[in-house]
Amino acid sequence: EDQVTQSPEALRLQEGESSSLNCSYTVSGLRGLFWYRQDPGKGPEFLFTLYSAGEEKEKERLKATLTKKESFLHITAPKPEDSATYLCAALRGYQKVTFGTGTKLQVIP
Amino acid sequence: NAGVMQNPRHLVRRRGQEARLRCSPMKGHSHVYWYRQLPEEGLKFMVYLQKENIIDESGMPKERFSAEFPKEGPSILRIQQVVRGDSAAYFCASSPGGGNSPLHFGNGTRLTVT
Repeated sequence: EDQVTQSPEALRLQEGESSSLNCSYTVSGLRGLFWYRQDPGKGPEFLFTLYSAGEEKEKERLKATLTKKESFLHITAPKPEDSATYLCAALRGYQKVTFGTGTKLQVIP
Repeated sequence: NAGVMQNPRHLVRRRGQEARLRCSPMKGHSHVYWYRQLPEEGLKFMVYLQKENIIDESGMPKERFSAEFPKEGPSILRIQQVVRGDSAAYFCASSPGGGNSPLHFGNGTRLTVT
């Protein structure tokens, strides 16, 4: 069975304090790894797709990387507006997408 | 470009009533997915549909739940005889299908069963 595990469950950072979120996956035949951001009361907002080990994607203060077993979301010099729950999801097959339970990030001014 | 539209945003039903949740995919998307999210839990896959076809319903409870995506109109997730345990946020996502395209989500319908 496909499994996606995210850590930590919650993370509290001071503004400007860089850190990384982890997503480990057990998925045979991975076709893509997605990162999403979810704000309270909203649906997940797509951030990145990573397709193969070694790939990196960047957007503003966020950088996502992928290895054969895990993905990292690096947050550089975060701001309070980066506070949200970050979800990763693994794609297998015809579009079977399995989500992790997320990391709830809080950035304190 | 309109995103994925879900309605209603909030739905309150008494036990035993029926709930109908609607989802209009993004323009040009022909694949629709329904997920359920409970507080402090992840998104759980329910069903994957293409126009007029159910492709995978492995995540959907066998009883009381059904989904459709007709040739014309929105996708509908229907829950009959709701129980308190059905209270959750239900999210719809769409994609153009094929390849490795990501899912794009609506803002969900929050169902409360009293």
